[in-house]
Amino acid sequence: AQTVTQSQPEMSVQEAETVTLSCTYDTSESDYYLFWYKQPPSRQMILVIRQEAYKQQNATENRFSVNFQKAAKSFSLKISDSQLGDAAMYFCALFSGTYKYIFGTGTRLKVLA
Amino acid sequence: DAGVIQSPRHEVTEMGQEVTLRCKPISGHNSLFWYRQTMMRGLELLIYFNNNVPIDDSGMPEDRFSAKMPNASFSTLKIQPSEPRDSAVYFCASSPANLGTEAFFGQGTRLTVV
Repeated sequence: AQTVTQSQPEMSVQEAETVTLSCTYDTSESDYYLFWYKQPPSRQMILVIRQEAYKQQNATENRFSVNFQKAAKSFSLKISDSQLGDAAMYFCALFSGTYKYIFGTGTRLKVLA
Repeated sequence: DAGVIQSPRHEVTEMGQEVTLRCKPISGHNSLFWYRQTMMRGLELLIYFNNNVPIDDSGMPEDRFSAKMPNASFSTLKIQPSEPRDSAVYFCASSPANLGTEAFFGQGTRLTVV
């Protein structure tokens, strides 16, 4: 069975500071993909970043980066220089050979001015 | 492309009534997913289709839930009869056949069963 676990229901960060959201996963597949999605109050699901499991290099998108530890099955999201607009629910997701996206329960990020 | 389109955005219904949620995926996408979002469980996959064929419906909570995809541009999720515990946000998402491409989500339908 494939699972995605986000153990932090809620996190807070001061504006301009850095925060890391945790995600662990489990899959028996060797080829898979990992995603972080952002869900602001508008409810829209927005892709933040994508990581291919076969790539050792951690993905980066502007202020967003991941720490992908394949052996540990860990996929954390780092947000640098946090902004008020980063406040949202963040979901970690796994996609593999079963051709379906499995999501974690989400982490609510609050950004404090 | 307009993206994944879901209707209605909001639905309030009485317990015991039939509810039908609708989804139009992005043109050219082969896979379609229905998710339910609640505070307790996050995003649960209910069912997904590939080329209009249901592949995995193991997430459908019970026989009151059913989903169809009569063609490549339309899918429905039906709840009959509805119960208060079905209250949630229901998302439809689609993706192309390319392995590793992200899922594209609609705006969701907020269902309230009273």
